Amino acid sequence: QVQLVQSGAEVKKPGASVKVSCKTSGYTFTGYYMHWVRQAPGQGLEWMGWFNPNTGGANLARKFQGRVTLTRDTSMNTAYMELTRLNSDDTAMYYCARVRTLHLDYAAYWGQGTLVTVSS
Amino acid sequence: EIVLTQSPDTLSLSPGERATLSCRASQSVGTYLAWYQQKFGQAPRLLIYDASNRATDIPARFSGSGSGTDFTLTISSLEPEDFAIYYCQQRTNWPSTIYTFGQGTKLEIK
Repeated sequence: QVQLVQSGAEVKKPGASVKVSCKTSGYTFTGYYMHWVRQAPGQGLEWMGWFNPNTGGANLARKFQGRVTLTRDTSMNTAYMELTRLNSDDTAMYYCARVRTLHLDYAAYWGQGTLVTVSS
Repeated sequence: EIVLTQSPDTLSLSPGERATLSCRASQSVGTYLAWYQQKFGQAPRLLIYDASNRATDIPARFSGSGSGTDFTLTISSLEPEDFAIYYCQQRTNWPSTIYTFGQGTKLEIK
């Protein structure tokens, strides 16, 4: 079955960077796009960007351009999201999510989330 | 950027009642709209895609309708497990493919 397992919680200081991993199994990693979504405590969902594990191509929401890098390791079937220049507003649960079909599509399979806390 | 506005912010109903949730887009999104359910402490779950198609294993009591700028998620008869937060999400394909979420509607037990 499709599984996405994310790395553990992180505590970072303002100005630092964080890299969240999303290890996949149960399907062909390079065959399906991945979304990254975050959710600040008590707030709604915020779409960050999509990533193509086959080509390495990505598209980010405007507010994350310049601060977020999406990558992958195809040998490990793992996707990564790196967020730089952290500030307190970046405190959130970060989710990876695989799309529904073989095309750029909606997020149908979700990781369990990675809590990133930014605090001095 | 297209903005999605969901209404109401909170909906208080009893099990067995019918729930109607609304999502309005600031400009037409065709039928590129999805609905997600999120329970406390859990990742979201895809319910409806392309405005009216139920995702895999989603019960028939969930249905979606609409096109253009106005969309509706209907739960025909509420079960106890349906009380959660619901989000709509749209997809825009020009000039590049991006997605945005609405702010969510909390469906609570009356």
